[in-house]
Amino acid sequence: AQSVAQPEDQVNVAEGNPLTVKCTYSVSGNPYLFWYVQYPNRGLQFLLKYITGDNLVKGSYGFEAEFNKSQTSFHLKKPSALVSDSALYFCAVRDARSGYSTLTFGKGTMLLVSP
Amino acid sequence: GAGVSQTPSNKVTEKGKYVELRCDPISGHTALYWYRQSLGQGPEFLIYFQGTGAADDSGLPNDRFFAVRPEGSVSTLKIQRTERGDSAVYLCASSLLGDSTDTQYFGPGTRLTVL
Repeated sequence: AQSVAQPEDQVNVAEGNPLTVKCTYSVSGNPYLFWYVQYPNRGLQFLLKYITGDNLVKGSYGFEAEFNKSQTSFHLKKPSALVSDSALYFCAVRDARSGYSTLTFGKGTMLLVSP
Repeated sequence: GAGVSQTPSNKVTEKGKYVELRCDPISGHTALYWYRQSLGQGPEFLIYFQGTGAADDSGLPNDRFFAVRPEGSVSTLKIQRTERGDSAVYLCASSLLGDSTDTQYFGPGTRLTVL
C-alpha cells in the first residue's frame, strides 16, 4: 500500500524568510509525487509534480520541491515566503509501477506566514 | 479556460435522505475522479471514471454510494440514506488521459452536511 506522511500539522515562518514543508512517502515501485495548495473554501490547486529526471522540480508561484529517493522525501520549498502563501498544503503520491494507480494524499500542513 | 465546476457548493440534508452531487470536468478530459475530504484530513479517493465507465470504484465506502458518468463528461455522485458520518467536502477532479503521470485538476467541492 502507498502512503504519505506530512509530519508537521503547522509551519510558521516570517515573511521574506525561506520556507520548507516536509513530505515523506512510501510506495512499492517508483513514485510520482505531487504538491497541491488549498485556500479556505476552495478546491485544491496544483503546484508541481515529480515524474522523472531532475530531482529539483520548479512549480507555480515560486515554489520548488526536491525529490530525494534515499530519504523517500519530497519537501516543498520557497526561498522567500509571502503572507499570501498562507494556506493548507498537501503532498500526494502515485505508484509508477503500473499504468494506473490511485492518488494518495497526506493529511496536509498549514503554512502561516506572518508579516 | 473553464476549470472543473461542482454544484451545489453547499448541501444540507437530513439523515436518511437521498442526495446528488454534480461535477462538470474540464472539456476534453477523459478521466474523472471523486474524493471525499473530512475535516483535518487530506482528500480520500472514492471512484475513478475513464470515459463512461468506472475504472476503479474501490474507494466507495459502501453500497449507499454510487456514481455515474453516462456521456463521458458530467458525473453525478449519488448518496442514498445519508448518515451524519457522510458529512464532508466532496471533491471532483479531472485529468486529460488518466494515467499515473497525469495532473488532476480539482473543482471547488461540495460541502455536504447531514443533520
